[in-house]
Amino acid sequence: DQQVKQNSPSLSVQEGRISILNCDYTNSMFDYFLWYKKYPAEGPTFLISISSIKDKNEDGRFTVFLNKSAKHLSLHIVPSQPGDSAVYFCAASSSGGYQKVTFGTGTKLQVIP
Amino acid sequence: NAGVTQTPKFQVLKTGQSMTLQCAQDMNHNSMYWYRQDPGMGLRLIYYSASEGTTDKGEVPNGYNVSRLNKREFSLRLESAAPSQTSVYFCASIKRRVRVGETQYFGPGTRLLVL
Repeated sequence: DQQVKQNSPSLSVQEGRISILNCDYTNSMFDYFLWYKKYPAEGPTFLISISSIKDKNEDGRFTVFLNKSAKHLSLHIVPSQPGDSAVYFCAASSSGGYQKVTFGTGTKLQVIP
Repeated sequence: NAGVTQTPKFQVLKTGQSMTLQCAQDMNHNSMYWYRQDPGMGLRLIYYSASEGTTDKGEVPNGYNVSRLNKREFSLRLESAAPSQTSVYFCASIKRRVRVGETQYFGPGTRLLVL
């Protein structure tokens, strides 16, 4: 039972354009959402997060949007750069979740120079 | 400050062999985790330790055991390796719990191949 889903395994975007990565979740107890970035042969690194009390959080070129009614979140990268090429994982957690984080399957982003 | 370190980086085992994956963090974090990453499956939680002396099962604990040796170290043991345990294993740690202002830090991973 995949509680966090990333339906696009891969995405290609031209440098300078917007990258939009999508994520859906099924567990209504999730109240904190995160995006991680992962380069080959490295561990994931935290990118940006959003609490369920917000619908948008911005950090430089990265913005995460949360639509609680649709159980959907998205990560926008503007403008996209070649160094953004990586696998992006969406993740979710709940307040009562004993520090557990549920990850999606990942989306591989390729930014074409 | 090395963050989260994992040893070994790569290991090949034969079916039935045992091994221990080591993880250590130097950030004085309370909680530590073991995940496995498989193609098309994302990261799945094997075991976690909310504090020194405590461990709990995650999504996929079968075939594994863990030890929270002290606050710094959290090891993962495969008693009798199976080909289904071929994966990349990541250790992670966090100060206390996943919430605003805190985040998990991951090690570089251990690639395990079971023949």
